Amino acid sequence: DAKTTQPPSMDCAEGRAANLPCNHSTISGNEYVYWYRQIHSQGPQYIIHGLKNNETNEMASLIITEDRKSSTLILPHATLRDTAVYYCIVRPRARPGSQGNLIFGKGTKLSVKP
Amino acid sequence: DAMVIQNPRYQVTQFGKPVTLSCSQTLNHNVMYWYQQKSSQAPKLLFHYYDKDFNNEADTPDNFQSRRPNTSFCFLDIRSPGLGDAAMYLCATSRDPEGSYEQYFGPGTRLTVT
Repeated sequence: DAKTTQPPSMDCAEGRAANLPCNHSTISGNEYVYWYRQIHSQGPQYIIHGLKNNETNEMASLIITEDRKSSTLILPHATLRDTAVYYCIVRPRARPGSQGNLIFGKGTKLSVKP
Repeated sequence: DAMVIQNPRYQVTQFGKPVTLSCSQTLNHNVMYWYQQKSSQAPKLLFHYYDKDFNNEADTPDNFQSRRPNTSFCFLDIRSPGLGDAAMYLCATSRDPEGSYEQYFGPGTRLTVT
């Protein structure tokens, strides 16, 4: 079962920041937080991941609370092409014999509106 | 530039008629995954290969099989498709399951069973 809770849907105005929350209150010390998104009729796309520290890349920023029980994915300037289902996934660091597979939850459907 | 290629993008098969879906990758990744995604649901892992080692998920039906003849190619065989097997089938790769390497997904093959 997925170990994360996300709102089923969110709207965002084009050009504004989209802040997508995720609760993972049972996260353990060796588990990473991953974000993927899936645009309609395409395969999921990796966005970002983190363990404890906040992370930023060319697509997004990931803010993880100090207790690691929740996180927020930030798309700083949302465009219409960012409309997608966003999945927050908790995944252990893989080690020999344990693959650390992705278990997708229901995700958040983000609609970016003009 | 395509990195994970799935053919065909759309496949129609008859009830009970065996069907094979193919995936190829240009990334030289160790691991290849097959996911099933039914309409309005999240992707669900069926199995994966770590090099030549096959790893089946516990709840994957026996009707689903896989072959990986070499690093670049992986096939999903559905021996006797039922109506409930209609879904999007996603192939993904990752460099190594250890560490925190992200997965790269193909565009998927949408299977229709008539």
